[in-house]
Amino acid sequence: GAVVSQHPSWVICKSGTSVKIECRSLDFQATTMFWYRQFPKQSLMLMATSNEGSKATYEQGVEKDKFLINHASLTLSTLTVTSAHPEDSSFYICSARRTSGRGSDYEQYFGPGTRLTVT
Amino acid sequence: AQSVSQHNHHVILSEAASLELGCNYSYGGTVNLFWYVQYPGQHLQLLLKYFSGDPLVKGIKGFEAEFIKSKFSFNLRKPSVQWSDTAEYFCAVNAKTGRRALTFGSGTRLQVQP
Repeated sequence: GAVVSQHPSWVICKSGTSVKIECRSLDFQATTMFWYRQFPKQSLMLMATSNEGSKATYEQGVEKDKFLINHASLTLSTLTVTSAHPEDSSFYICSARRTSGRGSDYEQYFGPGTRLTVT
Repeated sequence: AQSVSQHNHHVILSEAASLELGCNYSYGGTVNLFWYVQYPGQHLQLLLKYFSGDPLVKGIKGFEAEFIKSKFSFNLRKPSVQWSDTAEYFCAVNAKTGRRALTFGSGTRLQVQP
């Protein structure tokens, strides 16, 4: 159990276009999902916290108008990179926290990531 | 805000050698502690976690970690590494309250030579 999927796994887009990345919890409900960004050979940096039914909480320095997050249901959060530029090229990883169950408050389950390349 | 330091950026070991990767955290409250592994081309997998109780926790694949509260440390150990342990290892913490977002260390690249 506790599987998180991301779609697409990789995407190449042209500069100026928008890209939507989906994060789904397949076998559990997740009130909270997190979006991270990982540059090559570096650690994961938290971008924002996605809350079901309410606005996302963005970390300092992350442009909320550029990285639109929607958490429309207990199993789906989407990250839309608007007007993408080459510097947005990165590995985007989501994680989901169980809504209920033992240890539900603490543990996160990670998706496989989405590699975005902006040309 | 919490922070996590991993002092070893790149570790090279021979098979059967013992491993210890350091992790120190900084936070004013109580935390949960995690070690994740990322094999080449794969996604993050949880190795082990500490929420409370016995400070010595055992994880998958023969890994263990010890939480030493007085030192704010959560070092990862394995008595005998294998070539298949070659991967990136991340220490992470989150607070027991609030959003519980994870803060990751910078990662340690482990290279095990056959």
